Amino acid sequence: DTGVSQNPRHKITKRGQNVTFRCDPISEHNRLYWYRQTLGQGPEFLTYFQNEAQLEKSRLLSDRFSAERPKGSFSTLEIQRTEQGDSAMYLCASSLKVAGGHEQYFGPGTRLTVT
Amino acid sequence: AQSVTQPDIHITVSEGASLELRCNYSYGATPYLFWYVQSPGQGLQLLLKYFSGDTLVQGIKGFEAEFKRSQSSFNLRKPSVHWSDAAEYFCAVANYGGSQGNLIFGKGTKLSVKP
Repeated sequence: DTGVSQNPRHKITKRGQNVTFRCDPISEHNRLYWYRQTLGQGPEFLTYFQNEAQLEKSRLLSDRFSAERPKGSFSTLEIQRTEQGDSAMYLCASSLKVAGGHEQYFGPGTRLTVT
Repeated sequence: AQSVTQPDIHITVSEGASLELRCNYSYGATPYLFWYVQSPGQGLQLLLKYFSGDTLVQGIKGFEAEFKRSQSSFNLRKPSVHWSDAAEYFCAVANYGGSQGNLIFGKGTKLSVKP
């Protein structure tokens, strides 16, 4: 396993610009998750996919956010018209869903700074 | 609502001393519980998990945790701390009911290790 990878690792953008992040999960993991983490807080759930289907979105995922997972492989998270409040670490995780419990493996994250 | 509480924001221990990090959860059904560790600027690494069975679970790096249903707790322990254990530790409960698939995290406990 090569682990979960995320690109870019850091992104600095000006307010109002659009940004897109990419996540490549562990191969053959059928679930992929996005979380956001701000300073001094634990990660907060944004959305997740099972294969290519987006099954759940949290209330944190405003209309400016959109996520896709075409063909059930990598995923992208796009933020439109960024705001300073979007500055955070965006974490991706993947898991192999089986009956019962399953663990999520996290990538290194993308740190977004909105100036 | 489901939640995780980590009462200690910051703990300092001497190298070689024992460690216990506290975690309390609120979850209606049988919980799936996790401990993750995060080094500065990095993603989360899974230390250990509890799904069912033996309430004392062993993890990586010499960590263990004990699930106590009566106290709604899942405390993390290590008998002898090493300087490399300095990091932030997050407890999480899985919200896997129905179509839900997220982890709910506590706010984390930052561990500092004195030489």
